[in-house]
Order: sequence, then structure tokens, then C-alpha cells
Amino acid sequence: DTAVSQTPKYLVTQMGNDKSIKCEQNLGHDTMYWYKQDSKKFLKIMFSYNNKELIINETVPNRFSPKSPDKAHLNLHINSLELGDSAVYFCASSQVSMRGGEQFFGPGTRLTVL
Amino acid sequence: LAKTTQPISMDSYEGQEVNITCSHNNIATNDYITWYQQFPSQGPRFIIQGYKTKVTNEVASLFIPADRKSSTLSLPRVSLSDTAVYYCLVGGAGGATNKLIFGTGTLLAVQP
Repeated sequence: DTAVSQTPKYLVTQMGNDKSIKCEQNLGHDTMYWYKQDSKKFLKIMFSYNNKELIINETVPNRFSPKSPDKAHLNLHINSLELGDSAVYFCASSQVSMRGGEQFFGPGTRLTVL
Repeated sequence: LAKTTQPISMDSYEGQEVNITCSHNNIATNDYITWYQQFPSQGPRFIIQGYKTKVTNEVASLFIPADRKSSTLSLPRVSLSDTAVYYCLVGGAGGATNKLIFGTGTLLAVQP
């Protein structure tokens, strides 16, 4: 049983394109997150949603737009992709949002922008 | 800007105890400290979480001094399968400060 799943696992695309990454969790958690891990393996929070409401919105370009249709899903849409967007993107979820909680991470989506 | 720093890498041998320290000088009152383990091509996996003093579970211990400006993850009797990158995470979503800041990561290499 997959707890946190992401699709696609790999995404290769050209600069200027628009793409989406989907995330679903079947743990019944009320908080979901998106992280970016760059080539140096640094992990950085991008967004966090609690019960479909945005609670963390770090300084990311507004080309990145999260969408949470329900508690179990948090999708990431990226417009006008740039070379610097190449990274691994991780979705995560947790039950307790006040302290980050024990976060469960998805397997990651490796985005390559050519 | 808050920074959370860790040693880049550590070496150890099987059966030894390993202590990895994280420095978080700007930790806020409502911030918790959490440690994660990450294997190549996988997402991070939760190890342990604490707020102050000492926390222990079946796989690790977490030591947090009174000033909370650092924390130490202790792995007893490591094995080859503990070779991974270890991250500390400082933060707490909620209240006036919503932030989650990962440390720079420590690559632990366990040798036979």
C-alpha cells in the first residue's frame, strides 16, 4: 500500500513549457507539503497546506502554483519552466501541522528542464 | 535568515555508535527538531523528533541541550545499511512563524 504517491516519477521537458506533478496520500493526514531538492541535495520547503488551506508559502516564483482539490491531494503546477527548475520535487504529508509532525515523503519526481 | 548546519560527512565502522550534530542558533520557541534519513533515489524517512532534553525510540536517541541551539542524533551500533544522508529539520507550522528549515545534510558512510 503506497502511503504518499507522486506522478510522474521522471519528467523531462523543454524550457518554457507548463507541467504538473500530482501527489496523493492515503494516510488520512490533514497537512501536505511540497519540497524541492537541488543538485547539492539541499531540501527546501516550498508550500504547505492544512485542510486545503495554504499555511506555508516560501519565496518561490509565482510560476509555481499548488492546488489542493481535497485533503488527500496536493498538485504542483509549474508555468514557463526554466533550467533552474531542474531538481527533485518531494511531496509529503503529516497529521500534526503545528510542529511539522512526522512527515511521510513520496518517492520524488525528478524534473529535468532542457 | 535562519541557518541550520550539519557536518558534510562522517565515517564510521559497523557496530560503533555515531553522533551527528545539527546547529540551529536561531531556533524559535515553538520550533521542534526532527531528524530524517534519506537513501539515494528515495524520499526522506522520519527517525525521531524532540523539543528539549532527551528523546529515545527503538532506532535512535536525540539530545537537545537547554538552550536548544543544537541537537545531536545518536545512532547506536550502526550497520552497513545505515549508510545514508541524515537531515535535521527545525520548525513548526502554525502561529506567527510558519517555517520548516532542513539542515544541510550529513552523509554517513558505514564501513565493515
